[in-house]
Amino acid sequence: GENVEQHPSTLSVQEGDSAVIKCTYSDSASNYFPWYKQELGKGPQLIIDIRSNVGEKKDQRIAVTLNKTAKHFSLHITETQPEDSAVYFCASGGSYIPTFGRGTSLIVHP
Amino acid sequence: EAQVTQNPRYLITVTGKKLTVTCSQNMNHEYMSWYRQDPGLGLRQIYYSMNVEVTDKGDVPEGYKVSRKEKRNFPLILESPSPNQTSLYFCASSHSGTSEKLFFGSGTQLSVL
Repeated sequence: GENVEQHPSTLSVQEGDSAVIKCTYSDSASNYFPWYKQELGKGPQLIIDIRSNVGEKKDQRIAVTLNKTAKHFSLHITETQPEDSAVYFCASGGSYIPTFGRGTSLIVHP
Repeated sequence: EAQVTQNPRYLITVTGKKLTVTCSQNMNHEYMSWYRQDPGLGLRQIYYSMNVEVTDKGDVPEGYKVSRKEKRNFPLILESPSPNQTSLYFCASSHSGTSEKLFFGSGTQLSVL
């Protein structure tokens, strides 16, 4: 089955810095790559996604890049703010069973 | 408001006592699914349903049952809970599958003593 590796498991940055979280996947048939943000005590919420026919997608301070050849995709957050502190999950979809990364705890220090 | 509603939010039970966690969505979604979240392991899918009366196993189905008698509801059943099922559970739905946005519920924290 699909295997998704996510790094780092913890990321600590100063407010205003950039943060990058990386994921690799194994199934070349995967065609949908979402990123979810989970705040304490809440369910995950989609923040951005990308499909396999696109290399990059941006939404204000958040961007995702996809390298299908290397089978990896990354989340980029610029000008981080304390409210960006949360756990972020990448996922690989395309079948009926999505595979999630193990999560990255992002801490933004004021 | 579009939402996925899970109940209860917290549940403490004892080994072997049957329990049901309810999940309901108001978006007319065809696809619904259950996940468990454990520290360091991320989210793992338990069961999913493509439509009414259509369910299938996810990655970790052992010890769980589901049913989909109505489009909006997808309950998770633990007929004989064991301590290794202590976990945080999430229900999620989407319009038609996993190649699109999943809407998650707020979670159910289950403790089996």
